[in-house]
This record gives sequence, structure tokens and C-alpha cells, in this order.
Amino acid sequence: TQLLEQSPQFLSIQEGENLTVYCNSSSVFSSLQWYRQEPGEGPVLLVTVVTGGEVKKLKRLTFQFGDARKDSSLHITAAQPGDTGLYLCAGFFNSGGSNYKLTFGKGTLLTVNP
Amino acid sequence: DVKVTQSSRYLVKRTGEKVFLECVQDMDHENMFWYRQDPGLGLRLIYFSYDVKMKEKGDIPEGYSVSREKKERFSLILESASTNQTSMYLCASRAGTPVIVYTFGSGTRLTVV
Repeated sequence: TQLLEQSPQFLSIQEGENLTVYCNSSSVFSSLQWYRQEPGEGPVLLVTVVTGGEVKKLKRLTFQFGDARKDSSLHITAAQPGDTGLYLCAGFFNSGGSNYKLTFGKGTLLTVNP
Repeated sequence: DVKVTQSSRYLVKRTGEKVFLECVQDMDHENMFWYRQDPGLGLRLIYFSYDVKMKEKGDIPEGYSVSREKKERFSLILESASTNQTSMYLCASRAGTPVIVYTFGSGTRLTVV
């Protein structure tokens, strides 16, 4: 089983602050996805990154894929209470295993206080 | 939009009971998955299915089985529920083109007493 390490595990900030969440692995991802999960709901896909060095933006969220495709980051600018939730990274690994499975990190629980 | 529906949001069952968790998707996806989510452990794959009547074990299949008799429906079965199976169970359906997208249901929070 491939492992994805996410940090920090918990993050509590004030509205308007910036933050960065990290996702790392010792293995190379074929692609990586970020999900957000709100309480009582299932995870919802935010973005997929495929190419090393790729940067994608989704409003105030910026996603970066490392050049070596072993790490990724999610940066939120001017966080708002509506950003509160569990952020999960999930990776497909090109180790020869089945492409049907997605391996998840343990998540970063973000709380944005008004 | 793809919709994945899990039949129950909350369930309370007794130890030793046989438990069925149902999941239905409406987009004709071939691939469906069952995960459990626990604090500090993240999402762990129990079983998945890539076609009707086909199934494959995930990372933690012990104590579980699955059934896929129709393409749209994927059931998770706890043969004899135990307290360590108390968890949030998430079903997902997967689209493969043009980008792989997993769509999750809202989850079933199962408590085994």
C-alpha cells in the first residue's frame, strides 16, 4: 500500500489569513487529486494535477504539483469560514498496480474562524 | 451530474447482526468502490468492483463482502457486525474519461453496539 503524508493534520486560522497544506510521498504519483469534505458529506473533487510542476488555480485556491511528482501543495489565500472542511489529497501511483484504486492521505482538518 | 446515493445516513446495529449497506449510482459507471473513514486513519478501501458480478479486495476486506448484481448497485455486507466496524462508510463511483473523477455518496454512519 502506498502512503501519502499530509500536513498539518489540523489547522485553525482566522478569516483572511493564508494557509498551505502539504501532501508528500516517497513514490511517484501518476496523477494527484485534491478533495474537500464537509461534515456529514462525502468528499468532493476540487482538482486533478497530472504534469510535474503543474499549477492550477480555483478562485482563491492554488494547487501545485512537484516537479518530481512526489509532492503537492494546496494554498488558500484570504481564507473564509466557507473554506472550513477536511482537505484530502489522493494519488494514483504508477508502480504497476491497478489504476482502479485511489490512495488517500489522512486529511487536513481546516477551521476558519470568523 | 453524477449522483451516488447511499440508502441510509445513520444505522445502529447489534453485534453479530448481518448488515447491508446499499449504494446506487445513476451514470452507468463501471467502477464502484466502498471505503471506510475513521478519525486519524483517513479513507481506506474495503472492496471495489469494475463490472457486474466482478469484485476485488481492497486494503481492508476482512469482515466484509460485496455484491454487484446490477451495474448501478453495489452493496457492502457485514456478515457478522462487530464493534470495531463502527465507522463512516463511503461509496464512490468512478468516471474514466476525460479525467478520472470519483463521485462519493454522503456516507453511512454505522454504529455497532
